[in-house]
Amino acid sequence: AQTVTQSQPEMSVQEAETVTLSCTYDTSESDYYLFWYKQPPSRQMILVIRQEAYKQQNATENRFSVNFQKAAKSFSLKISDSQLGDAAMYFCAYRGINTDKLIFGTGTRLQVFP
Amino acid sequence: DTEVTQTPKHLVMGMTNKKSLKCEQHMGHRAMYWYKQKAKKPPELMFVYSYEKLSINESVPSRFSPECPNSSLLNLHLHALQPEDSALYLCASSQDRRGQGAPGANVLTFGAGSRLTVL
Repeated sequence: AQTVTQSQPEMSVQEAETVTLSCTYDTSESDYYLFWYKQPPSRQMILVIRQEAYKQQNATENRFSVNFQKAAKSFSLKISDSQLGDAAMYFCAYRGINTDKLIFGTGTRLQVFP
Repeated sequence: DTEVTQTPKHLVMGMTNKKSLKCEQHMGHRAMYWYKQKAKKPPELMFVYSYEKLSINESVPSRFSPECPNSSLLNLHLHALQPEDSALYLCASSQDRRGQGAPGANVLTFGAGSRLTVL
């Protein structure tokens, strides 16, 4: 069975600085999708970034980028120029190519200080 | 319309009540999901409907009964719940994975959730 591990329950960053959130996963599948979702206190789960496993190029979305290491089964999220609005719970998630099931990690709570 | 709408936002019910949570999307998505989320925990999958047919049931107790009347609507009927069922219930939708080459394929769009309290 696939598992997703986030080893950092909490992280903090100063406004305008850069922070990296870690995620590792375990799977025997060769093709899959990886995601980072953000859940602010308002509780709406919002997609931050998506990575297809067959693509070697790391995904980027404005201030958000990933470091996808397929062999190491690692998928970290880098947030550059952190803003107060980035404060939220961040979930790493995995989805196999032949399943509707999205598997979440335990989450990392990110605090941003002015 | 790029939203998933959930109603009600808050629901308080007794253990003998019957109530329903509703979810609606008009993005043409063909897969719809119910997740349960306890405080400070990740969402746990409950049910998935694909093309209006139940495709995944994660061994959820029968006091939770899902229904998909059409491709835009998803209900969760609640009956004889326990206090430990109190949680945030999230609905989500996605393009069916058979369209996985399309932009946005395999991405779940979530609603804002229904906060359920069982007394």
